[in-house]
Amino acid sequence: GAGVSQSPSNKVTEKGKDVELRCDPISGHTALYWYRQSLGQGLEFLIYFQGNSAPDKSGLPSDRFSAERTGGSVSTLTIQRTQQEDSAVYLCASSLAPGGPADTQYFGPGTRLTVL
Amino acid sequence: AQSVTQLGSHVSVSEGALVLLRCNYSSSVPPYLFWYVQYPNQGLQLLLKYTSAATLVKGINGFEAEFKKSETSFHLTKPSAHMSDAAEYFCAVASGTYKYIFGTGTRLKVLA
Repeated sequence: GAGVSQSPSNKVTEKGKDVELRCDPISGHTALYWYRQSLGQGLEFLIYFQGNSAPDKSGLPSDRFSAERTGGSVSTLTIQRTQQEDSAVYLCASSLAPGGPADTQYFGPGTRLTVL
Repeated sequence: AQSVTQLGSHVSVSEGALVLLRCNYSSSVPPYLFWYVQYPNQGLQLLLKYTSAATLVKGINGFEAEFKKSETSFHLTKPSAHMSDAAEYFCAVASGTYKYIFGTGTRLKVLA
């Protein structure tokens, strides 16, 4: 596609429920990233994929968070047993291989998650 | 460790006035520096990036930024603000890895 797409754009869920957030990167981009943007804070790195592998999961805040990527393309971020502090905008970005610092990261519009 | 500080969470300028958004970074290795803009309910759009070539970097929409190693700064400027510039601006640093470290953002308001 022309840009990074994310779905849903908005998600409201009840505390304790599981949610899945989807990211479709730019075609041909092998590096994919998830960030979280909380109110009043900057963007927080969550996880990095190169192809289907995630060499860096250091930003995932707890074991309730997981992510996978299939076919070197679509990625899903799953949050289990959601808590109110999980409420944030979750942004996905992609870049060309090999995902070095000079490779521009292109961001999707984000998914706004609200946990009631 | 890398870090980014954006001075001023909110900046207001009059239409036609100079825009100056401040960014200071900390990095133990030569950094790559970025400015992104975020319009309401949208993702981040790259304005410009510094990758160790020219220290004065020109970006889209008339924005530019100057890398000053001695001051560890990468301030964003635009000579004349337009109403359409109202948005949130994020500075980011990447030092040797893919991991961007973002500042907390500066919300720019343009007054008519």
